[in-house]
Amino acid sequence: EIVMTQSPATLSVSPGERATLSCRASQSVRSNLGWYQQKAGQAPRLLIYAASTRATGIPARFSGSGSGTEFTLTISSLQSEDFAVYYCQHFNEWPVAFGGGTKVEIK
Amino acid sequence: QVQLVESGGGLVKPGGSLRLSCVASGFSFSDYYMSWIRQAPGKGLEWVSYSRSSGSTKYYADSVEGRFTISRDNAKNSLYLQMNSLRAEDTAVYYCVREGPAPSGWFDHWGQGTLVTVSS
Repeated sequence: EIVMTQSPATLSVSPGERATLSCRASQSVRSNLGWYQQKAGQAPRLLIYAASTRATGIPARFSGSGSGTEFTLTISSLQSEDFAVYYCQHFNEWPVAFGGGTKVEIK
Repeated sequence: QVQLVESGGGLVKPGGSLRLSCVASGFSFSDYYMSWIRQAPGKGLEWVSYSRSSGSTKYYADSVEGRFTISRDNAKNSLYLQMNSLRAEDTAVYYCVREGPAPSGWFDHWGQGTLVTVSS
């Protein structure tokens, strides 16, 4: 089974600053990777799929990159509504798996 | 718009059973693969089970294999999860989730979840 590891566990960022989140797969998942945002008390929301394609309605400040085993989610200028937990997920094979999450908090 | 509404959660004793339901609307349910994904309190996301559109192909996480059964009724736009031999570690919010256009593997719509608590 493929294991997904996210870093850092917590990221403290000031509004307006750039945030860079990392996700690593234990073996290649090609570009079969998604990113999700989860706010407190809410269900997750799909942000990015196929490593770099924004889902419907997702602002351009969210971007994804990478392939193989190393992936990055970048939020170019953090807005107040972006403070949340972010998860990566591979879908290269079954079982699919999520990373442990990165909490983006206000600095 | 796409809606997924779960029900059936609650408090159950270890070893007990529970059946979760999810009613879908706003899209052609029979055309989509569906999954159940859970989240233990304060923890991350764990995929639990998957059903292809016809229901003929199903997958399970090792942690629930042999105890949980996924099913669907396309005529009723409904997805189910029968959970038997429940354990404390099954305590979680269970989300009904739609996969993107098949075959994709990412999850583009999530319900609000239903809480399952396994405790004596």
